[in-house]
Amino acid sequence: SQQGEEDPQALSIQEGENATMNCSYKTSINNLQWYRQNSGRGLVHLILIRSNEREKHSGRLRVTLDTSKKSSSLLITASRAADTASYFCATDATSNTGKLIFGQGTTLQVKP
Amino acid sequence: DTGVSQNPRHKITKRGQNVTFRCDPISEHNRLYWYRQTLGQGPEFLTYFQNEAQLEKSRLLSDRFSAERPKGSFSTLEIQRTEQGDSAMYLCASSPRSSGRADTQYFGPGTRLTVL
Repeated sequence: SQQGEEDPQALSIQEGENATMNCSYKTSINNLQWYRQNSGRGLVHLILIRSNEREKHSGRLRVTLDTSKKSSSLLITASRAADTASYFCATDATSNTGKLIFGQGTTLQVKP
Repeated sequence: DTGVSQNPRHKITKRGQNVTFRCDPISEHNRLYWYRQTLGQGPEFLTYFQNEAQLEKSRLLSDRFSAERPKGSFSTLEIQRTEQGDSAMYLCASSPRSSGRADTQYFGPGTRLTVL
């Protein structure tokens, strides 16, 4: 079963604009990770944020985590056409297995 | 290329046939995971291995599914008597995770299964 929901399900923006995707989850977590998936391909890891962190940056990516609200957001700044993909949040909800529980994803289209 | 590899990339089979997929993790990664992804959904956890030991299986993994990881290296996922509902992308991931630490999972390109 899916851990939570992502919002919006689909997002279409112009190149150069910022894109924000939100993720909500249900259980306590050790960390939350964001992945990108191009159509029909495997997943590429973008960023991991631990439960005791509130914000993390990696290049044009900024991730926030609010454990009190059980939510996270991914901000992509100055988007490019190559950012067009599906984005998934995934939670590691246990300390032993490491298994990830994924959301349903946000499909991002960046128009050139 | 030292990433996770999966074979075959695509498999088309008739209902009732058996299929087997292979995953080669990043060398020295002790954890290996299998996920299944259907169209428009996020991946769903199936099972994982710590070295050669299969430590957890999802309820999604019916008795028609079996996974192995002999010698703690590559892994195979076999589906017996395939059904049309088994059509999906099967993803493998590996992780160097140490006990008590969180580590990134590195995914392979997936095997897309179509059951006719």
